[in-house]
Amino acid sequence: DTAVSQTPKYLVTQMGNDKSIKCEQNLGHDTMYWYKQDSKKFLKIMFSYNNKELIINETVPNRFSPKSPDKAHLNLHINSLELGDSAVYFCASSQDQPLRGPTDTQYFGPGTRLTVL
Amino acid sequence: ILNVEQSPQSLHVQEGDSTNFTCSFPSSNFYALHWYRWETAKSPEALFVMTLNGDEKKKGRISATLNTKEGYSYLYIKGSQPEDSATYLCACLNYGGSQGNLIFGKGTKLSVKP
Repeated sequence: DTAVSQTPKYLVTQMGNDKSIKCEQNLGHDTMYWYKQDSKKFLKIMFSYNNKELIINETVPNRFSPKSPDKAHLNLHINSLELGDSAVYFCASSQDQPLRGPTDTQYFGPGTRLTVL
Repeated sequence: ILNVEQSPQSLHVQEGDSTNFTCSFPSSNFYALHWYRWETAKSPEALFVMTLNGDEKKKGRISATLNTKEGYSYLYIKGSQPEDSATYLCACLNYGGSQGNLIFGKGTKLSVKP
């Protein structure tokens, strides 16, 4: 069984569209994350949720809205897609928030490659 | 905003060579340092987590050291094999202005030629 799964794996869409990426973890972790891998291959944190509550919200445009229906799921909805949103998006999870569990490993999903045309 | 720097950016070695690379991070308010291994077309996977100055961790032919006072960690690979080819990421966790999350470096991409 995959520990952290994301769907879809690839997403190609037109500018201006709205799209969602889903993430699920079956590890029983309390904390989930969304990262963006930019064009320079840098992994940057976007959001972090702990037990369905938002704990980190980086300087991300408000077109990006995470939703956590339960602690095993963290979905990412993107409105009015722009060319610059093209990137690989990674979901991850860990047992606890980093500052409470600094040695907790983050487990990453396989990534979703988003291409905006 | 913290800066986590890794060097070199890429490295090409022959099978059997031993190699090492560096992760530099702010030493103030340090909490933990994570190393991840990221193979092409896969997800990053955890290698080590270190918290104490002088910590050394080892997994097979791969080991890591930590100096929290001067803000660096070294990753060593002994007798590199082609399957070691991957990008090695380090990530630092600090108190205070670190947004409460790991800050990742850009990685060192290792290529091992048979």
